[in-house]
Amino acid sequence: GQNIDQPTEMTATEGAIVQINCTYQTSGFNGLFWYQQHAGEAPTFLSYNVLDGLEEKGRFSSFLSRSKGYSYLLLKELQMKDSASYLCEGGSNYQLIWGAGTKLIIKP
Amino acid sequence: DSGVTQTPKHLITATGQRVTLRCSPRSGDLSVYWYQQSLDQGLQFLIQYYNGEERAKGNILERFSAQQFPDLHSELNLSSLELGDSALYFCASSVASNLADTQYFGPGTRLTVL
Repeated sequence: GQNIDQPTEMTATEGAIVQINCTYQTSGFNGLFWYQQHAGEAPTFLSYNVLDGLEEKGRFSSFLSRSKGYSYLLLKELQMKDSASYLCEGGSNYQLIWGAGTKLIIKP
Repeated sequence: DSGVTQTPKHLITATGQRVTLRCSPRSGDLSVYWYQQSLDQGLQFLIQYYNGEERAKGNILERFSAQQFPDLHSELNLSSLELGDSALYFCASSVASNLADTQYFGPGTRLTVL
């Protein structure tokens, strides 16, 4: 079946930069979305890509390569509050696929 | 605050029982999605409604059903509950029917089945 793959867990240092990758095996997504979810809370929308390339929104950027089935979320100037899970989601007219999420641990 | 509301916040019930979870979408949103998230697991997409009609189906069990009413609020009905149904249930809403649309999530209903 269709699926989206993300690393299960990543660790980074406060103030640093981290890149969270997301790969998928299906074509036909109209958009690739990134959400942040703190433990026990609802996911919140961060960024999305419809076309190939980089979308920048403050400390967060997201990149998409549709031909390679690859996206990443880049977080700069990491803060302790960025400790959360980051979910990658692909959507189209007929399918909605979520990755299992990457748990990001920020250390001082 | 996303503008999506869910009630109740917490629900504790016994195996074999039936419960109803309620969701009101953001003002102007016509699509409602339901998700299940078990402890330390990813989001499982259950079902989507758009303007009162079922639009897409995910991994929804036959014991579960949903509907969207003319005022656009939605209800998720869970019956013959099992211990494994204990989870966070999220509702989300978006403007369009297309599944490639930004979703805004409610705070969730935490269901505990004893």
